[in-house]
Amino acid sequence: GAVVSQHPSRVICKSGTSVKIECRSLDFQATTMFWYRQFPKKSLMLMATSNEGSKATYEQGVEKDKFLINHASLTLSTLTVTSAHPEDSSFYICSARQLTGEDANTEAFFGQGTRLTVV
Amino acid sequence: GIQVEQSPPDLILQEGANSTLRCNFSDSVNNLQWFHQNPWGQLINLFYIPSGTKQNGRLSATTVATERYSLLYISSSQTTDSGVYFCAVERRDYKLSFGAGTTVTVRA
Repeated sequence: GAVVSQHPSRVICKSGTSVKIECRSLDFQATTMFWYRQFPKKSLMLMATSNEGSKATYEQGVEKDKFLINHASLTLSTLTVTSAHPEDSSFYICSARQLTGEDANTEAFFGQGTRLTVV
Repeated sequence: GIQVEQSPPDLILQEGANSTLRCNFSDSVNNLQWFHQNPWGQLINLFYIPSGTKQNGRLSATTVATERYSLLYISSSQTTDSGVYFCAVERRDYKLSFGAGTTVTVRA
């Protein structure tokens, strides 16, 4: 299957600072990346969808100024949590897909996830 | 939006036992996937199964799209099977909607 790498795997930051999380597709071109958030013992909730070279589209209730998403290349998307607060502490996980072309992915593949703790 | 319901929410098994996990969804979908989330949070792809039956080792899955449900079978369970199993359905816009998951605990 396709390989998606997410970094860092865990990060602790001080309240008020910003944190950047990277999501890379290692062996395919990700035309579309999805960012999810997971609270402890809960399911995954879609936050936003990004297409390479375009602005991200956010799900209802997700603050786009709080969670900045950049998808500047076909192999890299970043999620920046700006002015982080303790309530932003969560598990963030990305998914990458190639949705066009002969090598289009039929299924979604996920990164390892990032556990963010804001103190 | 589409509703995805998984049952049971929790499952405790003795090593070697068999089990069935169920996923019901409220509308027609393009695709369906089963994942296993390990203790470190990594989502492992188990099956991509919009319809029909697939088998992979001790795991197998069946999706009956016309009746809007999918089943995941675990046979001869091992302690390494412990974790959370998620069903996710894909809508026309390629977005995945996840169920709440089934937490499986396999005891030696």
